[in-house]
Amino acid sequence: NAGVTQTPKFQVLKTGQSMTLQCAQDMNHNSMYWYRQDPGMGLRLIYYSASEGTTDKGEVPNGYNVSRLNKREFSLRLESAAPSQTSVYFCASRNSNTGELFFGEGSRLTVL
Amino acid sequence: KQEVTQIPAALSVPEGENLVLNCSFTDSAIYNLQWFRQDPGKGLTSLLLIQSSQREQTSGRLNASLDKSSGRSTLYIAASQPGDSATYLCAVGWYSSASKIIFGSGTRLSIRP
Repeated sequence: NAGVTQTPKFQVLKTGQSMTLQCAQDMNHNSMYWYRQDPGMGLRLIYYSASEGTTDKGEVPNGYNVSRLNKREFSLRLESAAPSQTSVYFCASRNSNTGELFFGEGSRLTVL
Repeated sequence: KQEVTQIPAALSVPEGENLVLNCSFTDSAIYNLQWFRQDPGKGLTSLLLIQSSQREQTSGRLNASLDKSSGRSTLYIAASQPGDSATYLCAVGWYSSASKIIFGSGTRLSIRP
């Protein structure tokens, strides 16, 4: 079982460039999430989607946009990347019955 | 505002000791709480999930308890081993925003041989 799949795993951008992080889950979960993790810190919620067609801001949404393309896919877009967005990004989905979170392996983004 | 706090940020203990990691949360009306482990440079591994109706969950040497009235969960690790060295994170969901999950900043645990 693939679970939660994120692409790309690594990316280097220049300031001002744009990019999209892709996330897909094959567990038929309704809720999906994007988090960022900076060195020595926990995970901070960027955006989440409770169900297909809905998205909500988390703790640190500025500078990001999201799209819940369908039930499987939830993408995160950086329109104009800044060095402060250098981080590891994690996508997750949540089992609606148990509430358990499942994570992808992470995407390491560096903005120069 | 719903917040999750983990104190201390770092902990070092000798091998063999039993230890407790703490997770505190505001707003006691939680939906559930999940403990994770993260090794350096790696992803998150789920350890235990506690529903709001439960008081504790156990897996091997790990035991997680939940006290909603005090806004606290503890992760008890028995007979610690060097392989337990990692960062431990807790994540909380609340009934008022059931799909929103907030993490604590984690406790970095080091077990000395």
